[in-house]
Amino acid sequence: EAGVAQSPRYKIIEKRQSVAFWCNPISGHATLYWYQQILGQGPKLLIQFQNNGVVDDSQLPKDRFSAERLKGVDSTLKIQPAKLEDSAVYLCASSIRTSGISYNEQFFGPGTRLTVL
Amino acid sequence: KQEVTQIPAALSVPEGENLVLNCSFTDSAIYNLQWFRQDPGKGLTSLLLIQSSQREQTSGRLNASLDKSSGRSTLYIAASQPGDSATYLCAVIIGGSSNTGKLIFGQGTTLQVKP
Repeated sequence: EAGVAQSPRYKIIEKRQSVAFWCNPISGHATLYWYQQILGQGPKLLIQFQNNGVVDDSQLPKDRFSAERLKGVDSTLKIQPAKLEDSAVYLCASSIRTSGISYNEQFFGPGTRLTVL
Repeated sequence: KQEVTQIPAALSVPEGENLVLNCSFTDSAIYNLQWFRQDPGKGLTSLLLIQSSQREQTSGRLNASLDKSSGRSTLYIAASQPGDSATYLCAVIIGGSSNTGKLIFGQGTTLQVKP
């Protein structure tokens, strides 16, 4: 079974530029998560999708970050314009489904390391 | 608000030593607790998942325990090897129907096992 795929693996941009990350979850997984991991910290959830609907985006800086999952499969996360503090690893994860009473194990991709200069 | 803390932040041990990593959480109403391993430049690999009704899980040289009442979990690594060198992350999912299943992580413990 193929794992969660992410691209690119590394990206270096200057502040105020825009950048986009792509994630392809495990086939059949309805739930998709984007986490941000700043150096020396644990990952923090940015946004969670159930199929193509947003379940939780309470910690997404909506003035500069956006994400979509149009067909309920692949997802893109965009930052525009980027700030120095956006330098981090962006991790995508997926799970079979999430319901109010049953949470399935999350599987993580390799991440995209973003450096903002 | 649920907070997860891991102590120590870093640990260096000689090969062959048994060791314990600690994780504490502030709200005992969790759905499950999961331990992950993260190698430099890599994503997260799930090691052990403990449901809230369980007290421990074992996989090979790893044993994770959960004490909900005290808000603590430990990851025990037996006979450590240089290949165990990595960052170990603890994460919880808050229980209750209003929660969405997101993982709340600690900051991790970076382990170095010296040959």
